[in-house]
Amino acid sequence: NAGVTQTPKFRILKIGQSMTLQCTQDMNHNYMYWYRQDPGMGLKLIYYSVGAGITDKGEVPNGYNVSRSTTEDFPLRLELAAPSQTSVYFCASSYSTRERFSNQPQHFGDGTRLSIL
Amino acid sequence: KNEVEQSPQNLTAQEGEFITINCSYSVGISALHWLQQHPGGGIVSLFMLSSGKKKHGRLIATINIQEKHSSLHITASHPRDSAVYICAVPKGGAQKLVFGQGTRLTINP
Repeated sequence: NAGVTQTPKFRILKIGQSMTLQCTQDMNHNYMYWYRQDPGMGLKLIYYSVGAGITDKGEVPNGYNVSRSTTEDFPLRLELAAPSQTSVYFCASSYSTRERFSNQPQHFGDGTRLSIL
Repeated sequence: KNEVEQSPQNLTAQEGEFITINCSYSVGISALHWLQQHPGGGIVSLFMLSSGKKKHGRLIATINIQEKHSSLHITASHPRDSAVYICAVPKGGAQKLVFGQGTRLTINP
């Protein structure tokens, strides 16, 4: 049982390049999230998904895109990398219940450290 | 003002000391999360609590819903407790969380 797996762990991009950060979970969780973590700042939500085929913007979605074609996978796409996107990116998932405002712990991947030069 | 504020931002202590990390929030919540981020970067969920107190080993989390305040305590601290501790509260549906900026704890031997 691997939990949440993110790849790659590290990447350096040039300005204007594109890339996809991969995230997969094997816990059959419906809810998945992408966060970015900047030094001295709290985690910020980029995009989230409540199930296959359903995605929505979080707090800081500009410059990113996501898709959710399966329950397991939730890739994050950077189309035109900018220095402001230098950050550590975390994917997370959680179990959902019928209650809209229920609370469950989130399970995090190990993160992807991305530098844009 | 951030919706979730933690204090202190940095804390250095000697092995064996009793540690307290505080979290205040401004939104109404149904539960509060405490997470731990190790120096290697991985984040794990420690507690999720909606009232009173929870204990796991040497870690104790308390919450006062009326005062919108939670504390994380570590008894008999050890160098392996060195990490960033993060509190988070739900906001909106889909179990979305708003995070504090974290408290960096260093325990010296």
